[in-house]
Amino acid sequence: ETGVTQSPTHLIKTRGQQVTLRCSSQSGHNTVSWYQQALGQGPQFIFQYYREEENGRGNFPPRFSGLQFPNYSSELNVNALELDDSALYLCASSNSASSYNEQVFGPGTRLTVL
Amino acid sequence: AQSVTQLGSHVSVSEGALVLLRCNYSSSVPPYLFWYVQYPNQGLQLLLKYTSAATLVKGINGFEAEFKKSETSFHLTKPSAHMSDAAEYFCAAEGGFQKLVFGTGTRLLVSP
Repeated sequence: ETGVTQSPTHLIKTRGQQVTLRCSSQSGHNTVSWYQQALGQGPQFIFQYYREEENGRGNFPPRFSGLQFPNYSSELNVNALELDDSALYLCASSNSASSYNEQVFGPGTRLTVL
Repeated sequence: AQSVTQLGSHVSVSEGALVLLRCNYSSSVPPYLFWYVQYPNQGLQLLLKYTSAATLVKGINGFEAEFKKSETSFHLTKPSAHMSDAAEYFCAAEGGFQKLVFGTGTRLLVSP
């Protein structure tokens, strides 16, 4: 089975710019979650998408938005980038039918905001 | 709200020694619990999960964890450390709506 893939691997942006990160979910999974992992911290939940709708959101401002497509792939968009947005962004896919939410993580996208 | 605490940001062991990484959760209702490992510049890999089926959970690479409700703990152990175990380890709990709540991580250092 194909795992979770993310693109790009690394990205450098300047403050105020916009960025789009992409994620392809594992085969058979219909739910995608996004996490932000700042340096030296644990991942923080941004939001989750199920059937192309946002299905839960963490404590992140509206300039963090996302999409899920009919093939269950997903995008994370961040507008008006701030220096504190520099982090590893992790995408995880899961099967909503699973009762214990085993999420499979991708390798992440390292975003640097200058 | 669910929270996860990992005691010790760094743990150092010698190769062949016992590994013990500590994790406590906050919920009065035992949630699903997970341990993930993260190697440098990589994503998270699931080591094991607790789903209320058994209190002692065996995972990959010789790791296991014991769920103790009375202590609200889910500590990770491995009888004999290997150099390849050096990595960052994260404990996580399900926090509702299928989101995971992570601890701050413990970096395991293994010396020869």
